[in-house]
Amino acid sequence: GAVVSQHPSWVICKSGTSVKIECRSLDFQATTMFWYRQFPKQSLMLMATSNEGSKATYEQGVEKDKFLINHASLTLSTLTVTSAHPEDSSFYICSARPSGRGVYEQYFGPGTRLTVT
Amino acid sequence: KQEVTQIPAALSVPEGENLVLNCSFTDSAIYNLQWFRQDPGKGLTSLLLIQSSQREQTSGRLNASLDKSSGRSTLYIAASQPGDSATYLCAVRHQAGTALIFGKGTTLSVSS
Repeated sequence: GAVVSQHPSWVICKSGTSVKIECRSLDFQATTMFWYRQFPKQSLMLMATSNEGSKATYEQGVEKDKFLINHASLTLSTLTVTSAHPEDSSFYICSARPSGRGVYEQYFGPGTRLTVT
Repeated sequence: KQEVTQIPAALSVPEGENLVLNCSFTDSAIYNLQWFRQDPGKGLTSLLLIQSSQREQTSGRLNASLDKSSGRSTLYIAASQPGDSATYLCAVRHQAGTALIFGKGTTLSVSS
């Protein structure tokens, strides 16, 4: 149990276009989901915390108008990269926190590789 | 601001060796610490989670220790195998339910 999926697993888009990445918790409800970004040979950096039914909380330095997050249901959060540029090329990973769980609090998706040309 | 550092950045060992990966964090007020494995281009696999009140956790050939007061954790891998080759990430959490703060990882290569 506790599976998190991401779609797509990889995407190539042209500069200036928008890309939507989905994060789904398949067998549990997740009140909170987190979005991370990982550049090559770098650590995962938290971008934002997404809470179902409310606005996302963005980390310092992350443009909320560029990285739109929607958490419309307890099993789905989406990250839309608007007007993508080559510097947005990265590995985006989401994690989901099961509602009401205890110690093991987050389950990670497999990631989405975004390449902007 | 919490900073997580992992040493070494890369490590190459022959099969069968025992090895230790190090993780340090600047703010000792953590809720728990977690070790992950990441294969190239893939997501994260959780290996071990240590609560702040615990000193160590074991799973198979893996043993993770935590010295919260000194801001250090180690991941011990016994009898390494080529299949252990991956990047190992250390991450800390400050409060229950909050996001993890990651180190840059140690990339391990085990040769047969």
